[in-house]
Amino acid sequence: ILNVEQSPQSLHVQEGDSTNFTCSFPSSNFYALHWYRWETAKSPEALFVMTLNGDEKKKGRISATLNTKEGYSYLYIKGSQPEDSATYLCAFKWSGNTGKLIFGQGTTLQVKP
Amino acid sequence: DGGITQSPKYLFRKEGQNVTLSCEQNLNHDAMYWYRQDPGQGLRLIYYSQIVNDFQKGDIAEGYSVSREKKESFPLTVTSAQKNPTAFYLCASSFIAGVGDTQYFGPGTRLTVL
Repeated sequence: ILNVEQSPQSLHVQEGDSTNFTCSFPSSNFYALHWYRWETAKSPEALFVMTLNGDEKKKGRISATLNTKEGYSYLYIKGSQPEDSATYLCAFKWSGNTGKLIFGQGTTLQVKP
Repeated sequence: DGGITQSPKYLFRKEGQNVTLSCEQNLNHDAMYWYRQDPGQGLRLIYYSQIVNDFQKGDIAEGYSVSREKKESFPLTVTSAQKNPTAFYLCASSFIAGVGDTQYFGPGTRLTVL
């Protein structure tokens, strides 16, 4: 059974704090790693798709790194703002079945003004 | 506007009844997916389809059925065999499955069994 774990499950920070979350996935048969942001009352939307070991992606104040050899990805938010409050999902795709994503349970971030 | 629509937003069903959730996309995507979300859990894949008239079971297909007669549409039927159907259901679509196939999600349907 392929398992994707995210930690922490939830996080409360003050506006301006920087924060990071972890996504752990199987290190064998890696194909791709996706990050999504899911705001309350909205649909999940894609942040990053990462495929190569050592990949780093950035979108504004949000960035992500990927280590396929040890099976983890970090998502960083620099200077958190209240509008960053959301659940952040990572999803793993393995080479044995590239037709589907396996999602972690998510990290819920609450940024207090 | 291009996007994915799901209807209805809220659905109530009596035990023992089948119910069908609608999902339509106008993004010209080849692949479509159905997920279920329960509190404290991630999205779990029910069924997915990469091409018209073909679909595959996901991780929790028991008690569900789908059809893919048109590229734009991928309805999900929750049958009376599904033991615990109360959940939030999300539909998604993407270009044909590959490395960079970002999935685009609909707004979801919340199903409650009374």
